[in-house]
Amino acid sequence: EAEVAQSPRYKITEKSQAVAFWCDPISGHATLYWYRQILGQGPELLVQFQDESVVDDSQLPKDRFSAERLKGVDSTLKIQPAELGDSAMYLCASSEGRLDTQYFGPGTRLTVL
Amino acid sequence: AQSVTQLGSHVSVSEGALVLLRCNYSSSVPPYLFWYVQYPNQGLQLLLKYTSAATLVKGINGFEAEFKKSETSFHLTKPSAHMSDAAEYFCAVSKGGSQGNLIFGKGTKLSVKP
Repeated sequence: EAEVAQSPRYKITEKSQAVAFWCDPISGHATLYWYRQILGQGPELLVQFQDESVVDDSQLPKDRFSAERLKGVDSTLKIQPAELGDSAMYLCASSEGRLDTQYFGPGTRLTVL
Repeated sequence: AQSVTQLGSHVSVSEGALVLLRCNYSSSVPPYLFWYVQYPNQGLQLLLKYTSAATLVKGINGFEAEFKKSETSFHLTKPSAHMSDAAEYFCAVSKGGSQGNLIFGKGTKLSVKP
C-alpha cells in the first residue's frame, strides 16, 4: 500500500538554527498539505499545494517558515531561524485532489532547545 | 467558519466495554466530518468519514459514527473496546463538497484497562 514518506522522523536543533523537513506524497497525488501539531492539540494547516502552486498559506508564519514543491511532487518545509515555540510534530498529507481524502505521513517531531 | 469541539480530553474504558467519544461541530454550510486515529509518534489514520450520504457511517476496526444534524454531533462509538484501541482520536470538519481545509478538534486520548 502506498504511503506518504517523511524525513527525518526526529530532529533536535538549537534555537536560531535552520531546519528542513522533507515529504514525498503518494504517487499521483496532486494536493499536498503541511500541518503543525503542538503537543496536546490537533493538527493545524500551515500550507496547501496544488501541484507546484501554493493555494493556502494563510497560517504559515512567513517571516521564518517557507515551503516549496518545485516539481509538483515532493516538498520541503523550512524554518529559519527556529524558535523554542516551534517544537511540535510536523505532518505531511496528500490527496488525489482538493476534494479527496487526505492520507498522512508519520510526521517529523521537532525539538528546539 | 467551521469548528469542532471534542468533549473530554481523556476517556478511560475497560476492555470489552462500550467506547463513546464525543464530537460536536459548528458549520455555516453542510459539513463533511471525519474521525482520525493517531498512535504514539505516528501520523493520522482515517477511521471513517461522513460526506452527506448515509448518516450512520461504519469505519475500520469496528468503529462507527452517526451524523445528527439536529444535535450538530458526530460521536464515535465501538461496542467493545480492545487494548489495541488505546490511542488519540481526532474529529475534523471540512466544508461540504471538499475533504480539504480540515479543521481538527483538540483530540481525545482513549485508555483501555485490562
